[in-house]
Amino acid sequence: EAGVAQSPRYKIIEKRQSVAFWCNPISGHATLYWYQQILGQGPKLLIQFQNNGVVDDSQLPKDRFSAERLKGVDSTLKIQPAKLEDSAVYLCASSLLGWGINTGELFFGEGSRLTVL
Amino acid sequence: AQSVTQLGSHVSVSEGALVLLRCNYSSSVPPYLFWYVQYPNQGLQLLLKYTSAATLVKGINGFEAEFKKSETSFHLTKPSAHMSDAAEYFCAVSEVIGGGADGLTFGKGTHLIIQP
Repeated sequence: EAGVAQSPRYKIIEKRQSVAFWCNPISGHATLYWYQQILGQGPKLLIQFQNNGVVDDSQLPKDRFSAERLKGVDSTLKIQPAKLEDSAVYLCASSLLGWGINTGELFFGEGSRLTVL
Repeated sequence: AQSVTQLGSHVSVSEGALVLLRCNYSSSVPPYLFWYVQYPNQGLQLLLKYTSAATLVKGINGFEAEFKKSETSFHLTKPSAHMSDAAEYFCAVSEVIGGGADGLTFGKGTHLIIQP
């Protein structure tokens, strides 16, 4: 079974530029998550999708971050304009069961490492 | 609101020695608890999970954890450390309240170092 795919693996940009990350979850997984992992910290949930609807985006900095999950499969996370403090690994995860009955087992991709100069 | 505290950002043990990684949680309702492992430049992998069944949970690679409600703890142990256990370990909590959102809240992680 193929895992969660993310691209690009690495990205270096200058502040105020924009960047986009792509995620393809495991086939059939209804729920998709984007996490931000800053060096030395645990992952922090940015946004959670159930199919193509947003379940939780309370910690997403909406002035610069946006995410979409068209057709309930692939997802894209965009940052525009980027700030120095956005340097982090952006992890995508998916889970089989849906909103409200999820026992929490997430399957993670390898992450996209962003460096903002 | 739920939260997780992992005691010790770095833990060093000798190969063959007992591994003990500490995790305490805060949750307003009975929680689901998890341990994930992260190897360098990789995503997180589930080690084990507690979902209100047996309080002693066995996971992969010889790890286990015990849920202690009175202590609000979910410490991770392994009787004998192996060099391949060197990695970052994250404790996480999830609250499922009716139809509420269930994203995991992670601790800051513990870096496990294995001395030869």
